[in-house]
Amino acid sequence: KAGVTQTPRYLIKTRGQQVTLSCSPISGHRSVSWYQQTPGQGLQFLFEYFSETQRNKGNFPGRFSGRQFSNSRSEMNVSTLELGDSALYLCASSRGGSTGELFFGEGSRLTVL
Amino acid sequence: KNEVEQSPQNLTAQEGEFITINCSYSVGISALHWLQQHPGGGIVSLFMLSSGKKKHGRLIATINIQEKHSSLHITASHPRDSAVYICAVRPMNRDDKIIFGKGTRLHILP
Repeated sequence: KAGVTQTPRYLIKTRGQQVTLSCSPISGHRSVSWYQQTPGQGLQFLFEYFSETQRNKGNFPGRFSGRQFSNSRSEMNVSTLELGDSALYLCASSRGGSTGELFFGEGSRLTVL
Repeated sequence: KNEVEQSPQNLTAQEGEFITINCSYSVGISALHWLQQHPGGGIVSLFMLSSGKKKHGRLIATINIQEKHSSLHITASHPRDSAVYICAVRPMNRDDKIIFGKGTRLHILP
C-alpha cells in the first residue's frame, strides 16, 4: 500500500513569490492535514480537510491557503512568501474522525531567500 | 504555559537502558499521539491512545485521562532509537486542532 506522497520534496523561492505544495494521501483516506515545522516553533497545525471541506484552520495568516480535491489529494499554497515561511511542511492522512491514526509524508522543505 | 508539555527535553542514555518520556496536557482530549522523527524529517506514528496502555515491540505507551498524563517507555534501548519523540493531543471540543509538544530529543549511546 503506497504511503503519503508529498511533492516537491525540496524547493527554493525568493521573497514575494508564491508556492504550491501537493499531498497525495493513502488510498481510502479521506482526511488530510497540513503542518509547519520550524526549529523555533516546532510543529504547528495549518489546516485539516475532510471530503473536500476544510474542518479546521490553524493560526496562520491568510497568505496560507489550501484545498482538497474529490480524489482526496490536497494542495496548500503560500502567497507573498516571507523569510519566516522557510520550514518543513508536512501533510498527514487518516481515515477521518478525531481518533484516526495519522500517517505522515516525508515533507516538503521550503527555503525562502 | 504550553497546553502540551513534554519532559525531558533532551535525554542521553546508554544502550540497553529503560527510557521514559513524559507528556502532560491541560485540555480534555479525544486522542493522544506519540510520534517519532529521525534526523532528515520523516515522522512516524508510534501510538494513538484514548485510554489505557498499548505495546508494540519494545515500545509501551500509557495514558491516564484523569491525570492528563501519558508516558512513552522504551525497553532495552538501542542506538537506532535515537530520534525526537513528539507528543500530540486532539482536544475534545469543536476547536479540535491537534496541539504538539516541543518534543524530546533522545540519544542512545552504543
